[in-house]
Amino acid sequence: GIQVEQSPPDLILQEGANSTLRCNFSDSVNNLQWFHQNPWGQLINLFYIPSGTKQNGRLSATTVATERYSLLYISSSQTTDSGVYFCAVERFNAGNMLTFGGGTRLMVKP
Amino acid sequence: KAGVTQTPRYLIKTRGQQVTLSCSPISGHRSVSWYQQTPGQGLQFLFEYFSETQRNKGNFPGRFSGRQFSNSRSEMNVSTLELGDSALYLCASSFEGEYGYNEQFFGPGTRLTVL
Repeated sequence: GIQVEQSPPDLILQEGANSTLRCNFSDSVNNLQWFHQNPWGQLINLFYIPSGTKQNGRLSATTVATERYSLLYISSSQTTDSGVYFCAVERFNAGNMLTFGGGTRLMVKP
Repeated sequence: KAGVTQTPRYLIKTRGQQVTLSCSPISGHRSVSWYQQTPGQGLQFLFEYFSETQRNKGNFPGRFSGRQFSNSRSEMNVSTLELGDSALYLCASSFEGEYGYNEQFFGPGTRLTVL
């Protein structure tokens, strides 16, 4: 099956700092999503981005499908950005089966 | 539009029992998928239902089963519970639109503890 690797696994930032999270995947994909998991376990949709670049406030994401990676940028981080960020991909012809990376655990200190 | 809902939110069972979890998708979504999250294995796909038919299945034993009703609501069942089944069970729904658009939206999860 497809492999999804996220880096770094852990990240500690001071409030106000910028960061880049990376997601590498081993095969062509039909769908790529970034999620933030809140302390209660719910996955919050950040981006649906199988290719290209999108921005939403302080967050932006870029997927280079031909090179099989995606980046999530967080600018001017806030303590509320803390949590685990997941990248998930759906292979072509895999229906709605998402394969998740291991996540990046982010802690933003005041 | 209401999001994906899951019931119950928390559940405690003992080994050998069975459990049924419920998921109501976003209105208009016909695909429902289930995932298991554990500290050791991360997030893993269980199965997916579309129009009452199982379309995809992950690598889980037959003790894990599911179904989907005509209103797209879905249930999953785990029989003969084992300690290792303790996990957060997440349900996702999606609307399969044109041009392959297929964003998935997750519910708040059911946290199952097996004693």
